[in-house]
Amino acid sequence: AQKITQTQPGMFVQEKEAVTLDCTYDTSDPSYGLFWYKQPSSGEMIFLIYQGSYDQQNATEGRYSLNFQKARKSANLVISASQLGDSAMYFCAMRDDNNDMRFGAGTRLTVKP
Amino acid sequence: KAGVTQTPRYLIKTRGQQVTLSCSPISGHRSVSWYQQTPGQGLQFLFEYFSETQRNKGNFPGRFSGRQFSNSRSEMNVSTLELGDSALYLCASSPDLANTGELFFGEGSRLTVL
Repeated sequence: AQKITQTQPGMFVQEKEAVTLDCTYDTSDPSYGLFWYKQPSSGEMIFLIYQGSYDQQNATEGRYSLNFQKARKSANLVISASQLGDSAMYFCAMRDDNNDMRFGAGTRLTVKP
Repeated sequence: KAGVTQTPRYLIKTRGQQVTLSCSPISGHRSVSWYQQTPGQGLQFLFEYFSETQRNKGNFPGRFSGRQFSNSRSEMNVSTLELGDSALYLCASSPDLANTGELFFGEGSRLTVL
């Protein structure tokens, strides 16, 4: 069975600094996708970034990058130059050959001015 | 292109009642998934439908059921409501079942059970 673990219930970061949100996963499938979503207080789920299990390079999307360490089954999200609007819940998720997407418990990020 | 639409957005029910939530996926999307989100919890997977067939089901009691219609619209039903069913119910769609595809979420239906 898939399992996604986010060990940081809450994180604080100073505005303009970088922050890393941790995520580890467990699957026996060789093919899978890893995703990060942001959920602001308004509730909508916003897709941030995707990493495929066969991708050789770490994914990047603007200020977001994914530090993918396949052997360690780790897919950490790095947010550079944090902004006040980055304050939100962040969810790591995985979709493997079983197809349905499973989510971690989430990390609440607070950006301090 | 319209996003995922969920109705109703808010509803209040009492214990023992039943509720039906509706989800219209993005046009052309054939996969619909449902999640339950409660305070302090992550998103708990309920079920996934593709081409009118339930492909996967999460660890929820039989009071939770769903279906998908030929136009890909989906409904989920919760019978004999309990206080613990109060939650934000999120629907998400994707074009297919490829594990490379992200899910597109609706704004959710917030259910309060009194």
